[in-house]
Amino acid sequence: GNSVTQMEGPVTLSEEAFLTINCTYTATGYPSLFWYVQYPGEGLQLLLKATKADDKGSNKGFEATYRKETTSFHLEKGSVQVSDSAVYFCALSENAGGTSYGKLTFGQGTILTVHP
Amino acid sequence: EAGVAQSPRYKIIEKRQSVAFWCNPISGHATLYWYQQILGQGPKLLIQFQNNGVVDDSQLPKDRFSAERLKGVDSTLKIQPAKLEDSAVYLCASSLDLAGYNEQFFGPGTRLTVL
Repeated sequence: GNSVTQMEGPVTLSEEAFLTINCTYTATGYPSLFWYVQYPGEGLQLLLKATKADDKGSNKGFEATYRKETTSFHLEKGSVQVSDSAVYFCALSENAGGTSYGKLTFGQGTILTVHP
Repeated sequence: EAGVAQSPRYKIIEKRQSVAFWCNPISGHATLYWYQQILGQGPKLLIQFQNNGVVDDSQLPKDRFSAERLKGVDSTLKIQPAKLEDSAVYLCASSLDLAGYNEQFFGPGTRLTVL
């Protein structure tokens, strides 16, 4: 079945530091890949996505590239801010067919804390 | 545009009691999902509806959990009887349709504590 593995957390950084959160996946076919974020006291919301190999998703200074050869979708940001403190979830969804069509399979989440 | 609405936000019950959660998806969204998120883990799909039909309920513990989506809009998820291990946040999400590349929009969740 499908699975998503995220780097172990939590991650603690100083403001303006470089961020990488690793994500690898196992899936049948060619899934769409997502990063969702959950800010304190708020619901899950989409941060960025990529729907095919070599696509780069980007939003709010965050980027992730769909790497089919390494089955990875690592999240990066060049300079984090205190306001980026949140829980980040990597997820995948099958694009068509199969029994998992449309549903999201999530990683376990990575807690990011950014200090001033 | 209104987001996904869920109620109640919090619920505390004793084991063996029953509980129900309600979800109102974004208007026009055909697909509705219920996820269970246990503390420290990512959400896991319980059931997926397309309009008022079930697409996937393979991970739903059918001996105690049930769900319906009346008229293809609102949905309710019920647990009867509840167990301690059901303590979790129950998330409702909706999307335009089944396509895997569609964004899913999540509600604020219902935090269930079973004592």
